[in-house]
Amino acid sequence: QKEVEQDPGPLSVPEGAIVSLNCTYSNSAFQYFMWYRQYSRKGPELLMYTYSSGNKEDGRFTAQVDKSSKYISLFIRDSQPSDSATYLCAMSEYNNNDMRFGAGTRLTVKP
Amino acid sequence: AAGVIQSPRHLIKEKRETATLKCYPIPRHDTVYWYQQGPGQDPQFLISFYEKMQSDKGSIPDRFSAQQFSDYHSELNMSSLELGDSALYFCASSQRGASGRRSGETQYFGPGTRLLVL
Repeated sequence: QKEVEQDPGPLSVPEGAIVSLNCTYSNSAFQYFMWYRQYSRKGPELLMYTYSSGNKEDGRFTAQVDKSSKYISLFIRDSQPSDSATYLCAMSEYNNNDMRFGAGTRLTVKP
Repeated sequence: AAGVIQSPRHLIKEKRETATLKCYPIPRHDTVYWYQQGPGQDPQFLISFYEKMQSDKGSIPDRFSAQQFSDYHSELNMSSLELGDSALYFCASSQRGASGRRSGETQYFGPGTRLLVL
């Protein structure tokens, strides 16, 4: 079993929909949680970075961390066709550079 | 804003050949990471360097080696290439600071080098 589990999708939604992306993890030592967006043939681009349990909002994006359930989410409001990409969750321990990624969820937002 | 630069962007090699990938971190970033992303796979951490010293080691094969130079750029050297080495290789950089303490600092990724081994 992988340390980080993420449904690879693909996920297809109409423009304007709310998108929910999720990851679960098994390593309770993970302290830092990130969401990356990766367009085809491009490098991952950091979207959100969280440290503690709770919600963090940035524009149309909200990251949610529930350490007790080992579950993180990314919500995208008013989704746009330009949001079509693969979304990767990533996490790392306090004193370790070894960032573990989820498999990535491929999202398509249809006009 | 300046980003992580990787070269070359594309590379084609034959089995048993060698390849060198280069990474130029964001200015003032002191830490460099290398990742390998196979087709349809998530990025796998290979190795990282802080202030020109190896910091952490992941799933890097013994056929690969890397180093960070005085100007903070890094090179990933790959020898005896195998078909399975075909992948996207990403470099990321971050600023850890003088303490050297790893605290989940944000990693910024480069555009990647696409390696194809024939």
